Amino acid sequence: DIVMTQSPDSLAVSLGERATINCKSSQSLFYSATNNTYLAWYQHKRGQPPKLLIFWASTRGSGVPDRFSGSGSGTDFTLTISSLQAEDVAVYYCQQYYRNPPWTFGQGTRVEIK
Amino acid sequence: EVQLVESGGGLVQPGGSLRVSCEASGFIFSGFWMSWVRQAPGKGLEWVADIKKDGSEKFYVDPVKGRFTISRDNAKNSLHLHMTSLRVEDTAVYYCVRGTTTLVRNWYFDLWGRGTLVTVSS
Repeated sequence: DIVMTQSPDSLAVSLGERATINCKSSQSLFYSATNNTYLAWYQHKRGQPPKLLIFWASTRGSGVPDRFSGSGSGTDFTLTISSLQAEDVAVYYCQQYYRNPPWTFGQGTRVEIK
Repeated sequence: EVQLVESGGGLVQPGGSLRVSCEASGFIFSGFWMSWVRQAPGKGLEWVADIKKDGSEKFYVDPVKGRFTISRDNAKNSLHLHMTSLRVEDTAVYYCVRGTTTLVRNWYFDLWGRGTLVTVSS
């Protein structure tokens, strides 16, 4: 199974500042036959269901503000919130969907306001 | 409105059985892979099972293989998870999740229900 490891486990960022979350996979998520990278990011706010933010490592989901961006390749990925807003307080998860199940998530990164 | 609504959670004793269900609305249910994802108290997200659009293929995470069965009724826009031989470690919020429209495999999850809590305890 592909193991997903996020860092840090939590971070506190001032409003308007940049938040950066890292995700590392135990094997490459790039499949040359399709030229795609099989990684997604989700936002999970307390009391709400998770929400898809990013898929294919860098494509924003429907209605996702452009302050959220995904980058990376191979085994190393980053979710960046360019200017943290109060409504961005949440736990963020990366997830791999490379070729065959089981699909696995990172352990989550909690983002708070400093 | 596009939504997923789970039901059927509750308290069950270890070794017992339970079926949780999900009603989909606002989209063409038969056009999507569907999944269950769970979250144990204080823990992260764990994918549990996938079912193909027509129900012809099913996949499970190892800890639930042989105990859980995912099924769907496209005529009723409903998804189910039948859980047997339940263990304390199966305690979690179970989310009904919409996957993708792809032919061969499910990919990411773009619509989530609010979840139903399953508690396994004596």
